[in-house]
Amino acid sequence: KAGVTQTPRYLIKTRGQQVTLSCSPISGHRSVSWYQQTPGQGLQFLFEYFSETQRNKGNFPGRFSGRQFSNSRSEMNVSTLELGDSALYLCASSSRDSGGVSSQYFGPGTRLTVL
Amino acid sequence: SQELEQSPQSLIVQEGKNLTINCTSSKTLYGLYWYKQKYGEGLIFLMMLQKGGEEKSHEKITAKLDEKKQQSSLHITASQPSHAGIYLCGASPGGFKTIFGAGTRLFVKA
Repeated sequence: KAGVTQTPRYLIKTRGQQVTLSCSPISGHRSVSWYQQTPGQGLQFLFEYFSETQRNKGNFPGRFSGRQFSNSRSEMNVSTLELGDSALYLCASSSRDSGGVSSQYFGPGTRLTVL
Repeated sequence: SQELEQSPQSLIVQEGKNLTINCTSSKTLYGLYWYKQKYGEGLIFLMMLQKGGEEKSHEKITAKLDEKKQQSSLHITASQPSHAGIYLCGASPGGFKTIFGAGTRLFVKA
């Protein structure tokens, strides 16, 4: 099976712009989660989607949004970019249908730099 | 809210030596994941532990879950340069989210 893919791998934007990141999960996985990783805050949960529905959201401002399509591919959008949004954005997919423990598989990440 | 604390924060070992990384939860652990990350890259799934006392191995890496202590340990035997990276533990506190520890940076001297 192909792994989780994320595009683009690298992105440079300026403050005030918006950005859209894409994630294609492992075939058959319907759960997609997004995380932000920074040196200062570590790995933080953004949101999780399952069958096109957002099931949980982390403590991030409304500028961070996401969606999931019927083929389970997911996008996240960050509007009005700030310098502090510079980070590695990771997407993970899992076969987790209900709450509980299930393995998550991560993509290579998108490195976003905001100038 | 649940938090995961990893120790040590960083570790430098000589190639061939054994080492242990710990992950302690502030609340009851119902399951724990271990991941490895090469600097600036995605996370590689190592193993998942679900039951107290469970122990799993992946090549020269062994992890154990101690539910009573709310702790998991990751042990690497005969470390190699390929083991270098950041090791992260994660847990699902419920609500379809996963939280992670801050990570342990492992350096292996050849």
